[in-house]
Amino acid sequence: DTEVTQTPKHLVMGMTNKKSLKCEQHMGHRAMYWYKQKAKKPPELMFVYSYEKLSINESVPSRFSPECPNSSLLNLHLHALQPEDSALYLCASSRIAGGGLAKNIQYFGAGTRLSVL
Amino acid sequence: AQSVTQPDIHITVSEGASLELRCNYSYGATPYLFWYVQSPGQGLQLLLKYFSGDTLVQGIKGFEAEFKRSQSSFNLRKPSVHWSDAAEYFCAVGDNNNDMRFGAGTRLTVKP
Repeated sequence: DTEVTQTPKHLVMGMTNKKSLKCEQHMGHRAMYWYKQKAKKPPELMFVYSYEKLSINESVPSRFSPECPNSSLLNLHLHALQPEDSALYLCASSRIAGGGLAKNIQYFGAGTRLSVL
Repeated sequence: AQSVTQPDIHITVSEGASLELRCNYSYGATPYLFWYVQSPGQGLQLLLKYFSGDTLVQGIKGFEAEFKRSQSSFNLRKPSVHWSDAAEYFCAVGDNNNDMRFGAGTRLTVKP
């Protein structure tokens, strides 16, 4: 099983709303990632969690707040977003995080398509 | 930091024809190289990867790629394209710290 599950598939929110994106994997992976992908662009890394701790934050605005409550679950809390934040948000996970000959393969979910009105 | 260049934004091939998508990388050490495919509105599916060893790697769906260190390239090939191969293809380079960088992508159109 190499499945990463993201919910919801689609989300429409206003600029004053608070919403959350959810990502789940049961592959025993200890690294999880959030990417943002604008139309016709490659995915851009936002956050990396290693062993449930935030290890990389690519200077993402504070209106995006990640959370990793356990090794299988990754959330992205959204608050006071802007229309330019509309994008496909992809979650990924991998077997090992950091160090040594880490033969990391990132497995991606199908994404949440977010529209901010 | 590592980076990836995919020179072709859009490629059109006829069904049954061969395919080659180009990828050039920049990285000081031995890179971890990947090809992912993305259908419209979907996530990314791993086609194949190179870490070490044999420079010709086989992937899913009949794809293969060849790592050429002298040319800093990792081109993706398929001998006979099917209509279902139409998608966006991303080359990516990673390092030991899980930092993976994607190329801009190549959109493949398949003509009947």
